[in-house]
Amino acid sequence: GNSVTQMEGPVTLSEEAFLTINCTYTATGYPSLFWYVQYPGEGLQLLLKATKADDKGSNKGFEATYRKETTSFHLEKGSVQVSDSAVYFCALSPIQGAQKLVFGQGTRLTINP
Amino acid sequence: DSGVTQTPKHLITATGQRVTLRCSPRSGDLSVYWYQQSLDQGLQFLIQYYNGEERAKGNILERFSAQQFPDLHSELNLSSLELGDSALYFCASSVARGNTEAFFGQGTRLTVV
Repeated sequence: GNSVTQMEGPVTLSEEAFLTINCTYTATGYPSLFWYVQYPGEGLQLLLKATKADDKGSNKGFEATYRKETTSFHLEKGSVQVSDSAVYFCALSPIQGAQKLVFGQGTRLTINP
Repeated sequence: DSGVTQTPKHLITATGQRVTLRCSPRSGDLSVYWYQQSLDQGLQFLIQYYNGEERAKGNILERFSAQQFPDLHSELNLSSLELGDSALYFCASSVARGNTEAFFGQGTRLTVV
């Protein structure tokens, strides 16, 4: 079946540190991959996406590259800010044309000043 | 603001009761998805409607049902509520053509006491 596995949290970093949150997936076919972010008390917001192998999604300084050979979609940011503190979810959409998202368990990120 | 509106924001009810959660999708979006977020199960897909018809079903209990009305708003009905139904229920909408992103509402927090 389809599944997403994220690195376990919580993750605590200092401001300006480098961030990596690992995400691997299992899927049949060629899924689309997403990172969503959930700030405290809010819904999920799409952070970035990639729809085919070797695509790089980027937004707000965050990046992730769709690696088919390693079935991974790791989230990275070169210099985190306190405002990046949130829960990050990796997700896949398993079927072309559909949007039934399969989510990872989420990684809580806290950035200290 | 994602453009997806969910009401109510909070709901507290007793075991055995029935509640209805409401979702208004973004203007122009034909597809509505319901997700449940709980501490032990994470984010789980419940059900999808497209232009009034059920399109996909996930881990939705038989005590739960949903519908999408001609004006495209959707309702999720939860009956015979149990303590374990306490969770954050999200609605999302998308155009549902191709791998388009889903936009999430802020959720309804249901507490069953």
